[in-house]
Amino acid sequence: DGGITQSPKYLFRKEGQNVTLSCEQNLNHDAMYWYRQDPGQGLRLIYYSQIVNDFQKGDIAEGYSVSREKKESFPLTVTSAQKNPTAFYLCASSIDGGANQPQHFGDGTRLSIL
Amino acid sequence: GDSVTQMEGPVTLSEEAFLTINCTYTATGYPSLFWYVQYPGEGLQLLLKATKADDKGSNKGFEATYRKETTSFHLEKGSVQVSDSAVYFCALSDQRFGNKLVFGAGTILRVKS
Repeated sequence: DGGITQSPKYLFRKEGQNVTLSCEQNLNHDAMYWYRQDPGQGLRLIYYSQIVNDFQKGDIAEGYSVSREKKESFPLTVTSAQKNPTAFYLCASSIDGGANQPQHFGDGTRLSIL
Repeated sequence: GDSVTQMEGPVTLSEEAFLTINCTYTATGYPSLFWYVQYPGEGLQLLLKATKADDKGSNKGFEATYRKETTSFHLEKGSVQVSDSAVYFCALSDQRFGNKLVFGAGTILRVKS
């Protein structure tokens, strides 16, 4: 089945540590996105990529970094500069990033601070 | 900037009741509009979409109509089931940022048997 796979499902970070969240898709989609979800709030965009080897900052990019070396992969690194990283992180993709194209979501990674 | 406002929840209904979740938006241009549903511990699933004024999106008994004059996209279902209990998000696509989705805060729906 085609879809988006996020791993791990749960992740714990120590103070001063960088952690990387994995996102892989086999939908052959060009565009990929990372969102952050906090309790009682909607999702906010961290980074997005519309094509391999290119990505753009979203609304809350500070303290995060990404790479897009392969079409199917868009990993997110939460750096030690992100002072409040506890949240639910969702990866999404769409066929070409067009306005009418829906985004397909993974099942998320829940990140907590130890 | 673009924004989406949803009615606050939780909304608690009995099985077979009529559901309305209000959604209004502010946007420059003509965004596409979406409703997504999130079940506990999972990611979001697309429920329905509408891409232009007066379009009606529908899926699994849910409907929403793109109303440009009132900048609204209210979600409705004639008869809810316990299995519809979830969080519902209204969203629009923002063409200025790679068509990112701008989300409302979400509305929790609880259906009692």
